[in-house]
Amino acid sequence: AQKVTQAQTEISVVEKEDVTLDCVYETRDTTYYLFWYKQPPSGELVFLIRRNSFDEQNEISGRYSWNFQKSTSSFNFTITASQVVDSAVYFCALSGRYNNNDMRFGAGTRLTVKP
Amino acid sequence: DSGVTQTPKHLITATGQRVTLRCSPRSGDLSVYWYQQSLDQGLQFLIQYYNGEERAKGNILERFSAQQFPDLHSELNLSSLELGDSALYFCASSVVGTSGTNEQFFGPGTRLTVL
Repeated sequence: AQKVTQAQTEISVVEKEDVTLDCVYETRDTTYYLFWYKQPPSGELVFLIRRNSFDEQNEISGRYSWNFQKSTSSFNFTITASQVVDSAVYFCALSGRYNNNDMRFGAGTRLTVKP
Repeated sequence: DSGVTQTPKHLITATGQRVTLRCSPRSGDLSVYWYQQSLDQGLQFLIQYYNGEERAKGNILERFSAQQFPDLHSELNLSSLELGDSALYFCASSVVGTSGTNEQFFGPGTRLTVL
C-alpha cells in the first residue's frame, strides 16, 4: 500500500524566514514518483515538482528546494526567505511506476506567512 | 492557468438531486482524473479515464459515475446527493506516457454545496 504522511498540519512563519515542510512516504514499489502541489487560497492545485525514485539529487528552483532521501523515505520541501504569497496549503503526493492512477496525497500542510 | 477547465465553478443543490460536473483536459492529454476534496477526507482519488476508457477506480461511491467522451472531455455524475457530498471536486489531466508516470495538471475545481 502507498501512503504519504505530512505530520505538520499548520505552520506559521514571519516573512523572510526559511521554512521546511516535511513529507514521509511508504511504498513497496521500487520505482515511484513523488510530487509537491500548492493550493493557494483561491483553491486551484498548482504543480510544483516531480521527482522519480532513481534521482536523489536535490533540486533548487528559485526560493524553493527539495531534499529527497530514500534512506529515510522523505521528500522535504524548503522555502527560503518566505513571502506572504507563499501562504497556501502544500500537498505531497506519491504514485507508482505504471500510469499514475494510484496517486496518493498527504493531508497537506497549511503554511501561513505573516508580514 | 493549467489548461484544464471545469464547469461550473460553483453548484448549489438539494439532497436527493443529481448533478453533472464537466471537465476539459489540457490539449494533448489523454487521461482525466477526478478527485474529491473535503475537510474530513482530504484529497481523494475517485476515478481515471484514459482515451475514453475507464482505467482505475479509487474511493468512488456507487451513486457517482463518470465518462470520457470522444473529444476527451469528461463528466462526473453525482446522484442521490447527500449533505456529505458537499466538497470541492477537481479534475486533472496528464499525458500518460509509456515510460512512466507524468504529473497531473489540475483544473480550478467545482465547489458543490448540498443543502
